[in-house]
Amino acid sequence: AQSVTQPDIHITVSEGASLELRCNYSYGATPYLFWYVQSPGQGLQLLLKYFSGDTLVQGIKGFEAEFKRSQSSFNLRKPSVHWSDAAEYFCAVGMNTGFQKLVFGTGTRLLVSP
Amino acid sequence: DGGITQSPKYLFRKEGQNVTLSCEQNLNHDAMYWYRQDPGQGLRLIYYSQIVNDFQKGDIAEGYSVSREKKESFPLTVTSAQKNPTAFYLCASRNRLTPASTDTQYFGPGTRLTVL
Repeated sequence: AQSVTQPDIHITVSEGASLELRCNYSYGATPYLFWYVQSPGQGLQLLLKYFSGDTLVQGIKGFEAEFKRSQSSFNLRKPSVHWSDAAEYFCAVGMNTGFQKLVFGTGTRLLVSP
Repeated sequence: DGGITQSPKYLFRKEGQNVTLSCEQNLNHDAMYWYRQDPGQGLRLIYYSQIVNDFQKGDIAEGYSVSREKKESFPLTVTSAQKNPTAFYLCASRNRLTPASTDTQYFGPGTRLTVL
């Protein structure tokens, strides 16, 4: 069965420091990978997505993610975190079933300290 | 503004009552989805619809029902058969004409349902 693991429930980063959020997936075929961000009480906003091609993907708000097939990982990175980045981040794997089923990880809550 | 709207933002229900959550989109998307979000569990798929008058069960459809009479609207009814309905409910849509392998689901702002 397809699954996504986000091993860190909470992460605290100082403002201006770099960030890496981990995501590992289990999927037999070529994965389609997404990172979404959710502010408290809000819906999900797409940060970036990977379908094919260059394994380093650039997204909005200065985020990037790197697909590593050998490690089944799709970690999210940002070189310098801003206080407004505090939110919950979800990794998801999409399966090409015709209706695009997404399987989500349990999320990582990012806290930004001054 | 194009987007997805969900109403109400907060909903309170007494045990034994059915309630209906609204989801409307003006993105001209064919596919629509309902997810349930619980703390520490990520999002789980309840129902999805690829075209008008057609919908399919997702992973946790028991105790829920939907309809898709219009392209723009995909309401979700939480019935009294749903044993633990308190959760955050998110609606999403996607352009079905774009291959599922390359397109993106766009999410509404959500409805928080609390059973009293």
